[in-house]
Amino acid sequence: GQNIDQPTEMTATEGAIVQINCTYQTSGFNGLFWYQQHAGEAPTFLSYNVLDGLEEKGRFSSFLSRSKGYSYLLLKELQMKDSASYLCAVRPDQTGANNLFFGTGTRLTVIP
Amino acid sequence: DAGITQSPRYKITETGRQVTLMCHQTWSHSYMFWYRQDLGHGLRLIYYSAAADITDKGEVPDGYVVSRSKTENFPLTLESATRSQTSVYFCASSDLNQPQHFGDGTRLSIL
Repeated sequence: GQNIDQPTEMTATEGAIVQINCTYQTSGFNGLFWYQQHAGEAPTFLSYNVLDGLEEKGRFSSFLSRSKGYSYLLLKELQMKDSASYLCAVRPDQTGANNLFFGTGTRLTVIP
Repeated sequence: DAGITQSPRYKITETGRQVTLMCHQTWSHSYMFWYRQDLGHGLRLIYYSAAADITDKGEVPDGYVVSRSKTENFPLTLESATRSQTSVYFCASSDLNQPQHFGDGTRLSIL
């Protein structure tokens, strides 16, 4: 089976930095994805890691450690519009079909 | 504008009825997916397709049927709707080893 864990809720202050963690235990591994989902909207792709290390994309960075089954999404200079759910998803290589298994998401609230 | 569109956006129906949710993408992506999203469960894969005429079950396929006669379309049918199928349904598409891109979703209520 596939198990992906992330905190249910987090709160952070505008202008601050927040780190959202994700741990996974899956039958295989062929990449980890982060998506952002605003309430009532579709998930939108943020970042992708397949090798260990940090991937930076503007205010957003994502880190992966395959040996620890661990990833985090780092959001810098938080803005009110960053209030959303952040979904961690793993692509196990056994499926061979580009399938993703999602965690339940972390709802981030940014306060002034 | 190229993209992925779902219809209808909202649907209310009764138990036992058949309902079809439509998904259309203009990217010519090989892969298409159907998910449902429920509180406490996150996104769960119902069915996926690697190409036209190739479909396979995901995590929660019971009660659903899919087809893919054309690359751009991937309809999802609930043959006899049940209240437990009340959910938000998302369609997604991608090429191999690329991120999936999601449609705006269909909010389905079954009374």
